[in-house]
Amino acid sequence: DGGITQSPKYLFRKEGQNVTLSCEQNLNHDAMYWYRQDPGQGLRLIYYSQIVNDFQKGDIAEGYSVSREKKESFPLTVTSAQKNPTAFYLCATKPTDRGLSDTQYFGPGTRLTVL
Amino acid sequence: QKEVEQNSGPLSVPEGAIASLNCTYSDRGSQSFFWYRQYSGKSPELIMFIYSNGDKEDGRFTAQLNKASQYVSLLIRDSQPSDSATYLCAVSDSNYQLIWGAGTKLIIKP
Repeated sequence: DGGITQSPKYLFRKEGQNVTLSCEQNLNHDAMYWYRQDPGQGLRLIYYSQIVNDFQKGDIAEGYSVSREKKESFPLTVTSAQKNPTAFYLCATKPTDRGLSDTQYFGPGTRLTVL
Repeated sequence: QKEVEQNSGPLSVPEGAIASLNCTYSDRGSQSFFWYRQYSGKSPELIMFIYSNGDKEDGRFTAQLNKASQYVSLLIRDSQPSDSATYLCAVSDSNYQLIWGAGTKLIIKP
């Protein structure tokens, strides 16, 4: 079964904890993205990666970290420095990092709640 | 700052009527425009994309782009209750990254 998988679907974090959200794809897409969605707001870009072993900060990178050791995987760590992490986290991929064919495809998302 | 604006709604449309969703953007250099549908609690799914001025039709959906006026719209003909969702407009910037609107909530009334 092809596509983008995110795990877990629901995640609960205690104050002061670091948690890692998984994003895996078997679409052979080059670019991968992490977004955060809060109620009534558009998607906000946290980090993105256009190639293995390289990634760039998005608009709201503070309190988050990522790695891109394999083309298929782009995990996101929400650190204790992120003071308001409760949100819906979405991973997306894109076939190429340049050009007009820049449609992004989304995984099912992870809903993170701080207890 | 690059912005994409949408009316948050909700927009209520009778079943069978035409739903019209609008989006304006600030970056004149934008070249690619996308409409995504998002059901409550789910991730966005692509409906249509458009690159050129004018209309693009796909089944019951028509995207309209006017670069001079910096707006893009989505028309849904013969609206169905299953079309009830939030519709997100996204616009690519000069770095090919997407700038997202906050979405318009559409309600189709049977």
